[in-house]
Amino acid sequence: AQKVTQAQTEISVVEKEDVTLDCVYETRDTTYYLFWYKQPPSGELVFLIRRNSFDEQNEISGRYSWNFQKSTSSFNFTITASQVVDSAVYFCALSEGDTGGFKTIFGAGTRLFVKA
Amino acid sequence: DAGITQSPRHKVTETGTPVTLRCHQTENHRYMYWYRQDPGHGLRLIHYSYGVKDTDKGEVSDGYSVSRSKTEDFLLTLESATSSQTSVYFCAISELTRDIHSGANVLTFGAGSRLTVL
Repeated sequence: AQKVTQAQTEISVVEKEDVTLDCVYETRDTTYYLFWYKQPPSGELVFLIRRNSFDEQNEISGRYSWNFQKSTSSFNFTITASQVVDSAVYFCALSEGDTGGFKTIFGAGTRLFVKA
Repeated sequence: DAGITQSPRHKVTETGTPVTLRCHQTENHRYMYWYRQDPGHGLRLIHYSYGVKDTDKGEVSDGYSVSRSKTEDFLLTLESATSSQTSVYFCAISELTRDIHSGANVLTFGAGSRLTVL
């Protein structure tokens, strides 16, 4: 069975600090997708990144970076030099199978507060 | 806009009444999903559809039914609403491909429907 654990319920940082959001997943499939979504205070859900199980390359997009490690079943998300606009709930998610679309399972989310 | 709308956006109802939430998409995506969001639980899949009249259960399907008679519409029905179904409901769409390098297989969400059952 698939499972996503985001152990950090809430994190509070001061602007310009770096912060890492942890995500640990469980799956029996060898083909799967991992995702991060952002939910700002306005409530919409926004896609940030998708990785497939065959691509362990880390990715950087501006101040955002993602570290995918199959050996520890983790897909962590780091925000460098955090800003107030980064305040949101962040969800890690997992889809199994070679289609990657059915039954996307989400973690409970990590609420990030960035103080000015 | 991603071309996905939910209605109603807000609804207050009483225990025991039927409720239907509608999700409408203009993207012609094959796959549609209903999730509920509750504090401490993240997003949990209720039902999903992989085509017209093709639906299946998710993690928390008890007390819910769905229907999809057209590609663009996916309805979620609570036959007899209970207070435990007070939640924010999100519809999502996706298009799938077996190409693992493609940009598809990503969920696009509607704005959400806040349901309060008194």
